[in-house]
Amino acid sequence: AQSVTQPDIHITVSEGASLELRCNYSYGATPYLFWYVQSPGQGLQLLLKYFSGDTLVQGIKGFEAEFKRSQSSFNLRKPSVHWSDAAEYFCAVGHKVGGGADGLTFGKGTHLIIQP
Amino acid sequence: GAVVSQHPSWVICKSGTSVKIECRSLDFQATTMFWYRQFPKQSLMLMATSNEGSKATYEQGVEKDKFLINHASLTLSTLTVTSAHPEDSSFYICSASEVRLNQPQHFGDGTRLSIL
Repeated sequence: AQSVTQPDIHITVSEGASLELRCNYSYGATPYLFWYVQSPGQGLQLLLKYFSGDTLVQGIKGFEAEFKRSQSSFNLRKPSVHWSDAAEYFCAVGHKVGGGADGLTFGKGTHLIIQP
Repeated sequence: GAVVSQHPSWVICKSGTSVKIECRSLDFQATTMFWYRQFPKQSLMLMATSNEGSKATYEQGVEKDKFLINHASLTLSTLTVTSAHPEDSSFYICSASEVRLNQPQHFGDGTRLSIL
């Protein structure tokens, strides 16, 4: 069965500092990987996705993530965080997308706190 | 593009009543929609996969008679929580995948259900 581990429950970063959120996955085949962000009481917004090709993917809001098959990781990064980045971040794995897609398996999330 | 609308956003009702939640893809067709449940400060757990024109597929441990799912068109899926009890109180989120291949899931803003 597939699984996703986000080792950090909370992370505190100063505004303007760089950020890295960790994600490790367990999956038997080539995974489709996603990062979503959730503000309190809201749904999820897709930050970026990896399906194939270039292992460094660019997303919205200045985020990027790198797929490392050898480490089974898909860490999210941002060079300089803004106070508006404070939110809950979820890493997710799935396989088949589009027609006949399967539901995603989510990590437990990382709560990002931005210090002024 | 790729907007998923979920309604209502918040509902409070008495124990024993049934509640219907709608999930609509506004600007794309979705053969597959998903229903997730999220407990406070926890991750999303897939409840069921809803396929247009066929029966939903429920995850292990999810009562299909409690959580009725109907996906009557390519743009609408509904989740009905029947005879709701306080333990059914939760945040329910739907998502939808476009018919085109390799498209990510897009999430609604969620429905907060409170059963008194």
